[in-house]
Amino acid sequence: NAGVTQTPKFQVLKTGQSMTLQCAQDMNHEYMSWYRQDPGMGLRLIHYSVGAGITDQGEVPNGYNVSRSTTEDFPLRLLSAAPSQTSVYFCASSYSDRVSSGYTFGSGTRLTVV
Amino acid sequence: ELKVEQNPLFLSMQEGKNYTIYCNYSTTSDRLYWYRQDPGKSLESLFVLLSNGAVKQEGRLMASLDTKARLSTLHITAAVHDLSATYFCAAVQGGSEKLVFGKGTKLTVNP
Repeated sequence: NAGVTQTPKFQVLKTGQSMTLQCAQDMNHEYMSWYRQDPGMGLRLIHYSVGAGITDQGEVPNGYNVSRSTTEDFPLRLLSAAPSQTSVYFCASSYSDRVSSGYTFGSGTRLTVV
Repeated sequence: ELKVEQNPLFLSMQEGKNYTIYCNYSTTSDRLYWYRQDPGKSLESLFVLLSNGAVKQEGRLMASLDTKARLSTLHITAAVHDLSATYFCAAVQGGSEKLVFGKGTKLTVNP
């Protein structure tokens, strides 16, 4: 099993450019979510999904869009990149079963906006 | 809105010593997670705590949950250098699937 796969691993964008960060999981997890990690801030939730076709906002959703057309994929779109979006982005997934082993995280995408 | 606070944020300890990391959360939560992160790496799941009084142990790490006090602890016994990492706790906001993280505790274990 591949687990949670994020692509790309590194990306440099110019201010105003758009791009999509990809996230795919092969564990048939219902829940998927995106976080950004900034120094000294921990991880902050951007958007999350409890199943295909259902998404909701997290703590810091502005400037990001998501969709969940399949159980496996949960892409994160940056509409118009800004330097404040420079961060490390993590995708995570989990079963809805409350006795599961928790969320499985991808390896991250390091994004720099110049 | 759920807030999660960890302390200390930085912890330097000697090998062989014991210490505890504290995780307080502000509102009702029925799941508490502990994760480990090595520099430049992803997060590794350590413990999932689901009920009041839950205690889980893995090697030199033991986690507990007191839902009445809204407190979880991660106790380190006889620390070794390999435990050096950043440890995060995270709680699920009641009635939702929003996972809220603390800011992390950077642990350094010195010989």
